[in-house]
Amino acid sequence: AQSVAQPEDQVNVAEGNPLTVKCTYSVSGNPYLFWYVQYPNRGLQFLLKYITGDNLVKGSYGFEAEFNKSQTSFHLKKPSALVSDSALYFCAVRDRGGYNKLIFGAGTRLAVHP
Amino acid sequence: GAGVSQSPSNKVTEKGKDVELRCDPISGHTALYWYRQSLGQGLEFLIYFQGNSAPDKSGLPSDRFSAERTGGSVSTLTIQRTQQEDSAVYLCASSPHPRGRQGETQYFGPGTRLLVL
Repeated sequence: AQSVAQPEDQVNVAEGNPLTVKCTYSVSGNPYLFWYVQYPNRGLQFLLKYITGDNLVKGSYGFEAEFNKSQTSFHLKKPSALVSDSALYFCAVRDRGGYNKLIFGAGTRLAVHP
Repeated sequence: GAGVSQSPSNKVTEKGKDVELRCDPISGHTALYWYRQSLGQGLEFLIYFQGNSAPDKSGLPSDRFSAERTGGSVSTLTIQRTQQEDSAVYLCASSPHPRGRQGETQYFGPGTRLLVL
């Protein structure tokens, strides 16, 4: 069965420092991987995705993520955090064989402190 | 361009009443999805529509839940005889045809926050 794990409920980082939000996945076959961000009382906003090709994916707002097949991970990173990055982040996976649902992780709350 | 829109943004209802939630997908998107976000369950897939194909209803939690999509565009999620455990945020998403590189991204609406008293 497909699954996604986000091992940290919350990540705290000081503004200007690099941030990492962790994600590991389990699928049968090659995955499609996504990161979404949710601000309070808002829907999910797409950040980036890995489909194929270069393992380092660059997305919106300076975020990037690295696909690591051997570790089945897709960690979200940003070199320099902003207070405005504080939000709830979701990792999601979709099996290449399926054309429908995303399987989401539980979410990680990122708090960036001034 | 316009994104996915949902209405109402908030809905408060009494236990046992029926509710209808509406989703307007991005124009031209053939695929439409409903998800539920609740404290205890996280983000769960409910149902998926693709063009004129039969919907994938595998995520619907009970037969009190149903959804339809008229004319390949607007969708309505109906919950009959609501229960308190139905309280959640219901999110709609749409995507271009899900096959092919551009079709993989689902774009989400702002959600409908449902509270069942």
